[in-house]
Amino acid sequence: AQKVTQAQTEISVVEKEDVTLDCVYETRDTTYYLFWYKQPPSGELVFLIRRNSFDEQNEISGRYSWNFQKSTSSFNFTITASQVVDSAVYFCALTSEGSNFGNEKLTFGTGTRLTIIP
Amino acid sequence: ETGVTQSPTHLIKTRGQQVTLRCSSQSGHNTVSWYQQALGQGPQFIFQYYREEENGRGNFPPRFSGLQFPNYSSELNVNAWELDDSALYLCASSLAEGANEQFFGPGTRLTVL
Repeated sequence: AQKVTQAQTEISVVEKEDVTLDCVYETRDTTYYLFWYKQPPSGELVFLIRRNSFDEQNEISGRYSWNFQKSTSSFNFTITASQVVDSAVYFCALTSEGSNFGNEKLTFGTGTRLTIIP
Repeated sequence: ETGVTQSPTHLIKTRGQQVTLRCSSQSGHNTVSWYQQALGQGPQFIFQYYREEENGRGNFPPRFSGLQFPNYSSELNVNAWELDDSALYLCASSLAEGANEQFFGPGTRLTVL
């Protein structure tokens, strides 16, 4: 069985501070994919990043960066110089290489509600 | 390029009613997945459709059923809504191969009275 744990339920930081959202996952599969999604108050999930299990390089995209460590089964997300527009619920998700093709169900964590205080 | 659309946006039903939720996939996507998101929780996988057939199902009872049409749009049908079914229902489309990212629609918010 697969599982994603986001231990931080809510985080509040003052604008321009850096913030890291934690994600720990469990899977028995050797090939798997990790995702981060952002859910603003409107409700629509916005895709941020996909990472496969064979690529442990950290990734940076503007103010966003991701730290993937297989040794600790973690895929953490850092926002640098946070802005009010970053306020949202952030979900980490996991899927594995399925028997038919790669696109199996996503297993989501419970999310972290991030509030940026102006 | 048109994104994922869902209808209706909001729905209020009483227990026992039947309803159909609709989803149009993003242009070029051949796979549709449905998720249920209860308040304060992460989305839970209901089922997925590929080439008009169910391709995987989560832990939901048979009264949750679906369809996919030749144009890849999809429906989620639920017979006899229950109070615990109150949630945001999300549809996501994707390309089948290679665990591609799923693109989500705005969801249908269902309230069961």
